[in-house]
Amino acid sequence: SQTIHQWPATLVQPVGSPLSLECTVEGTSNPNLYWYRQAAGRGLQLLFYSVGIGQISSEVPQNLSASRPQDRQFILSSKKLLLSDSGFYLCAFDRSLYGYTFGSGTRLTVV
Amino acid sequence: EDKVVQSPLSLVVHEGDTVTLNCSYEVTNFRSLLWYKQEKKAPTFLFMLTSSGIEKKSGRLSSILDKKELSSILNITATQTGDSAIYLCAGGGEYGNKLVFGAGTILRVKS
Repeated sequence: SQTIHQWPATLVQPVGSPLSLECTVEGTSNPNLYWYRQAAGRGLQLLFYSVGIGQISSEVPQNLSASRPQDRQFILSSKKLLLSDSGFYLCAFDRSLYGYTFGSGTRLTVV
Repeated sequence: EDKVVQSPLSLVVHEGDTVTLNCSYEVTNFRSLLWYKQEKKAPTFLFMLTSSGIEKKSGRLSSILDKKELSSILNITATQTGDSAIYLCAGGGEYGNKLVFGAGTILRVKS
């Protein structure tokens, strides 16, 4: 079966520290992968998407970057976190007729 | 710019009530409209709608798409406290590709 794993579940980081969130997919090859951010209790904003290894598209200018070093691995990074980077981050892959399947999310608090 | 608008933003009902959530969309090369339910973590898939006028049902939940009006509704009958969640609507330009999410409707069902 197709599954997605995302970690860590929660993270508290000081302003100016680096960030690395990881997402891996199992049971499928060459998936389309996505990073979304959700403000408290609201909708999802697309940050990055990838259609293949090394192929990253950014949707909004920001303090974050993404990489896809392997077919089923998607990483969200920052060199120096800002307070405004706090939020709930979700990784997802595209299951075509079944829409997206989301990871369990990472709640990031920048202090 | 593609956008999805949901209404109402929040709703409080009593158990047993019927609710209707609204979603309107402007999506380039529109192909599909998706509904998700989000409780505490990852959104879970409810429906994908691609054809106008065809209702999809799952238990007490149903949804229909109106391509002429560029809108969709999600109905929940005989609501239960377990229906309390954020309901997200998303529009896709192709199957599952780069979904654009609305801000969500926060539904609270009181016992």
